[in-house]
Amino acid sequence: SAVISQKPSRDICQRGTSLTIQCQVDSQVTMMFWYRQQPGQSLTLIATANQGSEATYESGFVIDKFPISRPNLTFSTLTVSNMSPEDSSIYLCSARTSGNYNEQFFGPGTRLTVL
Amino acid sequence: AQKITQTQPGMFVQEKEAVTLDCTYDTSDPSYGLFWYKQPSSGEMIFLIYQGSYDQQNATEGRYSLNFQKARKSANLVISASQLGDSAMYFCAMSDTGGFKTIFGAGTRLFVKA
Repeated sequence: SAVISQKPSRDICQRGTSLTIQCQVDSQVTMMFWYRQQPGQSLTLIATANQGSEATYESGFVIDKFPISRPNLTFSTLTVSNMSPEDSSIYLCSARTSGNYNEQFFGPGTRLTVL
Repeated sequence: AQKITQTQPGMFVQEKEAVTLDCTYDTSDPSYGLFWYKQPSSGEMIFLIYQGSYDQQNATEGRYSLNFQKARKSANLVISASQLGDSAMYFCAMSDTGGFKTIFGAGTRLFVKA
């Protein structure tokens, strides 16, 4: 199994600013993902973080708004840019190991409030 | 395109009784995986159980079992002997071939009554 930590755990930000969320996994993983969970909603996949290359974004999410980095096999960041109150959500980092498809782990989430 | 459907927004169950949470899915991939997660009010996502599309037997993990009916494209979660601590949101999820991404259903909120 893998243990995932995220920083910060929560933040309150002003409209128009940006926040970078860090995700650290305690072991090397093949795939890392970023999800958003809006209040009272399910999880929506934002993008797959690819090591050393541009992330793969899902429909409705763009790099300019949610730039993602993944410099190595255990670390990724998600930036929420030019925030608006609609960005208030929980952002979750997730990871899977190649060949072990029966496990997908989640971080504790970052609870973001935009005023 | 893949799709996961959970049609029960909320469910009530008496403590110590069994409860079934419904999940249906749609995919054209012959190989896929199905997950159930529990999300308590604390917000963490707790993995409960996994079923691979080629698994011959239904998955079980303690009090959790997955009733997998491939022809009907359903993957219902059965919780036996419900406990008050089972009160939470439950999400059904499906991963595509190779596990490149996982999508989630809308969730079912379970309330366990004493």
